[in-house]
Amino acid sequence: EAQVTQNPRYLITVTGKKLTVTCSQNMNHEYMSWYRQDPGLGLRQIYYSMNVEVTDKGDVPEGYKVSRKEKRNFPLILESPSPNQTSLYFCASSLRPLSPPYNEQFFGPGTRLTVL
Amino acid sequence: ILNVEQSPQSLHVQEGDSTNFTCSFPSSNFYALHWYRWETAKSPEALFVMTLNGDEKKKGRISATLNTKEGYSYLYIKGSQPEDSATYLCAFGSYNTDKLIFGTGTRLQVFP
Repeated sequence: EAQVTQNPRYLITVTGKKLTVTCSQNMNHEYMSWYRQDPGLGLRQIYYSMNVEVTDKGDVPEGYKVSRKEKRNFPLILESPSPNQTSLYFCASSLRPLSPPYNEQFFGPGTRLTVL
Repeated sequence: ILNVEQSPQSLHVQEGDSTNFTCSFPSSNFYALHWYRWETAKSPEALFVMTLNGDEKKKGRISATLNTKEGYSYLYIKGSQPEDSATYLCAFGSYNTDKLIFGTGTRLQVFP
């Protein structure tokens, strides 16, 4: 089954304790992206990757790191989480969303993170 | 700063009513406009990807139109059903960036 998986689905942690949220897709997609969802703000892009070893900042990259060592995986790293990073996080993948044929993004199930 | 606005913010309709919402985006440097349906406790799922001015797309009772010159897209739902209750998101792509900019969504609730 074609899918995007994220782990963990729920996480409660404390300020400053490094964490990684994994994202994996089995559709051989080049493009992968991380978003955060906050009430009233919509989905905001954190980082994206056009392909292996190619990553770029989205609109809200501060406090986050990513890596793309393999095509299928795109982990999100919070080196020193803070309470303002409490949010719902989505990973997404697609072929090429902004080049022909303008493919839609496939979203993972989401990770709800609480930083105390 | 690229801004994508959706209206209304929320909508409550009776089963059987038809409804529509708007997505407004910058009219310059347009590349693509995506529509997603996001049910509570699930992930957003793509409805349409639209690229050409005048595009019209249809999936069952849901259809969308696109006007790139004036910077808006309409999403229509004909004969709303309770299972249509969801948040509808649009996302704008500009050719001078690889990012999709999402609107804040329109939350639709359909009452039986």
